[in-house]
Amino acid sequence: KAGVTQTPRYLIKTRGQQVTLSCSPISGHRSVSWYQQTPGQGLQFLFEYFSETQRNKGNFPGRFSGRQFSNSRSEMNVSTLELGDSALYLCASSAIASPGELFFGEGSRLTVL
Amino acid sequence: QQQVKQSPQSLIVQKGGISIINCAYENTAFDYFPWYQQFPGKGPALLIAIRPDVSEKKEGRFTISFNKSAKQFSLHIMDSQPGDSATYFCAASYAGANSKLTFGKGITLSVRP
Repeated sequence: KAGVTQTPRYLIKTRGQQVTLSCSPISGHRSVSWYQQTPGQGLQFLFEYFSETQRNKGNFPGRFSGRQFSNSRSEMNVSTLELGDSALYLCASSAIASPGELFFGEGSRLTVL
Repeated sequence: QQQVKQSPQSLIVQKGGISIINCAYENTAFDYFPWYQQFPGKGPALLIAIRPDVSEKKEGRFTISFNKSAKQFSLHIMDSQPGDSATYFCAASYAGANSKLTFGKGITLSVRP
C-alpha cells in the first residue's frame, strides 16, 4: 500500500507570493490533516478535512487555507507569503476506524525569501 | 501556552540501555496520547498510543506509562539501539478530534554504540 505522498518536496518562494501544496492520502483514508513544523514552534496543527469538509481548524491566520477533493486528495494554500511561513508542511491521513493514528508524508519544505 | 511539555530536551543513552522520555499535559479533556518518532528528512511515524483508561501499554521494546492524576505519561525504550536515534514527540488530542494533535517540542535521542 502506498504511503502518503506530498508534492512538491521542496520549493522556494518570495514574500508576497502564494503557494499550493498537494497531498495524496493512503488509499481508503478519508481524513487528511495538515501540520506546520518549524524549529521554534515545533509541530502545529493547521486543519483537518474529512469527506471534503473542514472538520477542525488550528490557530493560523486566514492566509492558510485548504480543501479536499472527492477522491480524498487535499491541497493547502498559503497566500501573501511571509518569511515566517518558511517551514516543513506535513500532511497526514487516517482511517475512519483509527482517527488518532496519523500516517504522515515526508512533507513539503517551503522556503520564503 | 504550551499544553504538552516534554523532558528532557535531549537524551544520550548507551546501546542496550533504557531511554525514558517524559511528557506532561495540562488539559484534562485530552483523551488520546500518542508518541511519534521522526528521522531526519522523514515525517513523524506513530510508535505507540494510550488512552486514559489504561495505565500502561507495551509494544515490543516500547512502553507507555500513564499517570492520570499527575497528568503525565512517559515513553520507555528498552534495550535501546543506535537505530532508535531520532526525535521523539509526545502528543495529545481531544475526544472527537483525535486527528487534531497537540505536540510537545520533541526530544532528540542519541543511542551510542
